[in-house]
Amino acid sequence: NAGVTQTPKFRVLKTGQSMTLLCAQDMNHEYMYWYRQDPGMGLRLIHYSVGEGTTAKGEVPDGYNVSRLKKQNFLLGLESAAPSQTSVYFCASSLHYSGANVLTFGAGSRLTVL
Amino acid sequence: AQTVTQSQPEMSVQEAETVTLSCTYDTSESDYYLFWYKQPPSRQMILVIRQEAYKQQNATENRFSVNFQKAAKSFSLKISDSQLGDAAMYFCAYRSANSGNTPLVFGKGTRLSVIA
Repeated sequence: NAGVTQTPKFRVLKTGQSMTLLCAQDMNHEYMYWYRQDPGMGLRLIHYSVGEGTTAKGEVPDGYNVSRLKKQNFLLGLESAAPSQTSVYFCASSLHYSGANVLTFGAGSRLTVL
Repeated sequence: AQTVTQSQPEMSVQEAETVTLSCTYDTSESDYYLFWYKQPPSRQMILVIRQEAYKQQNATENRFSVNFQKAAKSFSLKISDSQLGDAAMYFCAYRSANSGNTPLVFGKGTRLSVIA
């Protein structure tokens, strides 16, 4: 089925370790986003991309890096994981910039940093 | 910056009854879009309903409807004939229509329980 796929779905890290979350979409969407969801905080935007080769900071970008080398993929990296980065991470995509455009979300990736 | 406020962290409703979830937002823009998303225990974010600010008519999708009050910056969600499957987190979200780079801004969510 077409949609947004996130890997891995679960991961446990130790403080200081690095990892990359992969988001892949097969809908030819231009825009892609990474959000984090924490209890009582809703979803907060980490980084987003408006096209291949471009990225921009969202509300909570510190401690994360992203890359969009291919249109269909949006990678979220943690260079040195911290317990504060324990969260559920959601990737989303949308076709174009119109505010009416609905975001399609992945199923989420639960990350625990010990 | 735009903000979205959901003042009810938790709500409950009896099966087959009606419940209304509140959402207010703050913006200086006149053209924007508002959304309600549902997140069941599976974690998948599902779009429930969407409203364009320039439309006065309230959006409706089957048992789900909104009460959009633009002047009051209020966007509540009404669920009629509540079903057990409606139990979930509900998020209100805002998106500007005026800029090319317009990420979705979410409220903190309301957890809805449905009592059989």
